[in-house]
Order: sequence, then C-alpha cells, then structure tokens
Amino acid sequence: QSALTQPASVSGSPGQSITISCTGTSSDVGGYNYVSWYQQHPGKAPKLMIYEVSNRPSGVSNRFSGSKSGNTASLTISGLQAEDEADYYCSSYTSSSTLEFGGGTKLTVL
Amino acid sequence: QLQLQESGSGLVKPSQTLSLTCAVSGGSISSGGYSWSWIRQPPGKGLEWIGYIYHSGSTYYNPSLKSRVTISVDRSKNQFSLKLSSVTAADTAVYYCARRTFEVAFDIWGQGTMVTVSS
Repeated sequence: QSALTQPASVSGSPGQSITISCTGTSSDVGGYNYVSWYQQHPGKAPKLMIYEVSNRPSGVSNRFSGSKSGNTASLTISGLQAEDEADYYCSSYTSSSTLEFGGGTKLTVL
Repeated sequence: QLQLQESGSGLVKPSQTLSLTCAVSGGSISSGGYSWSWIRQPPGKGLEWIGYIYHSGSTYYNPSLKSRVTISVDRSKNQFSLKLSSVTAADTAVYYCARRTFEVAFDIWGQGTMVTVSS
C-alpha cells in the first residue's frame, strides 16, 4: 500500500488530454510544494517530468503540466502522443523529512 | 553531463547483506545543494524510496527499511553506497541510484541494477 494514491490506469486517444491524480495528506502533498512527477517506459529508468508541483525541467515538453489543490496533486498531459504511453509516478516530501512515491499509473494511448 | 552508474552483486543469499555502489562521473559528489539517493522497484511493481545522504553526511531512510539500511559516501572515490542487511526475497528488485535536488526531485538516475535474493 503506497502512501500516495494514484489511479492504477488511465487512457486517452491521440490529441486528447488526460489527468493523473496523486492524493496524500496534509503531512505530505498538502503540506509542501515538493511534489514531483516521473515518467517510466518499460525497462528504463524513471525520468523527471515535473518538480515543485508545476515546474518543468529543461527539455520536457510543455504538453506536460502539474498542479495541486489541497492534498491532491495532478499531472496533465495535453495533445496526447503515442510516445506518452508509459507508467507515471508522483512523489512528495513529507513532514518526517522522508519521501514517498505513489503506486504508479499506467497510461495507455488508444 | 553528470552520470550515475550502479554496481554490485546481482545475487544475494537470504539473511545476507546486499551491497551496491553508485559511481558519479562528470561532476563532484561534493557539489552543494544535492543529496544522493537509492530507490528500488520490485519486478512488476512501483517505486520505493530507500533513503538519501546529504553532502553533510546526514542520512534519511524509509521508516520501513531504516533498521536494515546504511547509505554512505566515499568522496575520495566520488561514489556512494547502499547496504541492506538481513535480506529476504521481498528485497528482490531493480535498485536505482539518483541525485536529489534542493527541490526534492530526482533529476538524474542511474540505469538501475537487478538484485535477486535467492539461495
């Protein structure tokens, strides 16, 4: 059981937008803006897509965006492309100075 | 371009200690503002944070693993290490090392190394 809750799967057609949620508590997601999102393709290491809730690292497409409301953070991917099909994980800093990951969401591009 | 590379035993017997090293190249492990982390992923499952060590030497561990984990840094070799004691089959996973930024994000990852716990 992961500390942060994500939907197991989401899907969308090319060109559409999807949103993945990440729900925690006031001791992690709700208490800090240190929420990050990672993309992982099969057999590969995760890749940082969003940090500090809504910031994109250099080189990450602006089709990826992040937000937060209360204890829930969200990752939105617009203009869905086949290459976006992957697993996505959220992470958050916690009040214990530790870190948690969500259980992961499998994105399928139909 | 900073790069990380894990190395260590790919097969560990139950009850023994898992030992892995992460070599840092293209930059210094002593660079301020970063900490150095271990993350694992059991086959077919999600990511699990193991712990990290700050440049000051302070360490923070996942509470569920804290009694068995030690992360250390060897600045002379520009590398950091993971030791996990009393392993069981549940510790079988791909182990990643990663750099953690000030913004608490893992921006650079190693390729990962598979460790199997089996007799």
